[in-house]
Amino acid sequence: NAGVTQTPKFRVLKTGQSMTLLCAQDMNHEYMYWYRQDPGMGLRLIHYSVGEGTTAKGEVPDGYNVSRLKKQNFLLGLESAAPSQTSVYFCASSYEKTGRANYGYTFGSGTRLTVV
Amino acid sequence: RKEVEQDPGPFNVPEGATVAFNCTYSNSASQSFFWYRQDCRKEPKLLMSVYSSGNEDGRFTAQLNRASQYISLLIRDSKLSDSATYLCVVRILTGGGNKLTFGTGTQLKVEL
Repeated sequence: NAGVTQTPKFRVLKTGQSMTLLCAQDMNHEYMYWYRQDPGMGLRLIHYSVGEGTTAKGEVPDGYNVSRLKKQNFLLGLESAAPSQTSVYFCASSYEKTGRANYGYTFGSGTRLTVV
Repeated sequence: RKEVEQDPGPFNVPEGATVAFNCTYSNSASQSFFWYRQDCRKEPKLLMSVYSSGNEDGRFTAQLNRASQYISLLIRDSKLSDSATYLCVVRILTGGGNKLTFGTGTQLKVEL
C-alpha cells in the first residue's frame, strides 16, 4: 500500500519554464490538497479538490493550476515558473465524511523545486 | 496575526527530560486539533489528535483549552528519536470541506 506518491522528488527549473507535479493516492480518498512549505512560513494551501472533477483555490493559488481528472490523481502545474516558487511542495489526501471531525491528512514525501 | 502561533524554538533538552509545547489559534470556529511531527526534509505525519478532555498516547499528552484557544503537547521521558519539528494544526469546517491550517512548528532537539 503506497499511500500518497509524489513525482518528481527534485527538480530545477529555469525562470519561465513550465512543469507539472503529479500526486497519486491509492487509499480511495475523496479530498486531495497541494501545499507549499517555506522556511518560517509553515505549510500554506495552494489548491485543493473535494472530489473527481472539482478543484478550488487555497491560500496562495496565484501562479499555479490544478486538475483532478481521476479520483486518485491530483496534478499541480506551474505555467511560467518564477524564483518565488522555489519551495518544497507537499501533496496530501484525506477521507472525509460529514460530521467526522478528526480525520488527519496523509502526506506525500514532497517535491523539492528550485527555480533559477 | 497568524491563525496558528507556535514558539519556533529550538527546545534543547537532555534525554529523559519532560518538555511542553504550546500553541494558540485565532479562529474560534476551529473544530478539530492535531499535533503533527515533521522530521528534517520529510513529510509531516500525524502524531495525535487533540480532544477537549485531553488525551494521552504513551509518553505524549495533548490538552485543549477552547476558552483560551490554546493547545499543548507534553512529552515525557524524551528520547533522542523525539528530535523533530512539531506542528500544531487546526481544522475549520467550511463550505469547501476539511481544510487544515498549520503552525510554523516548534523544533525539538533531544541531546545525550
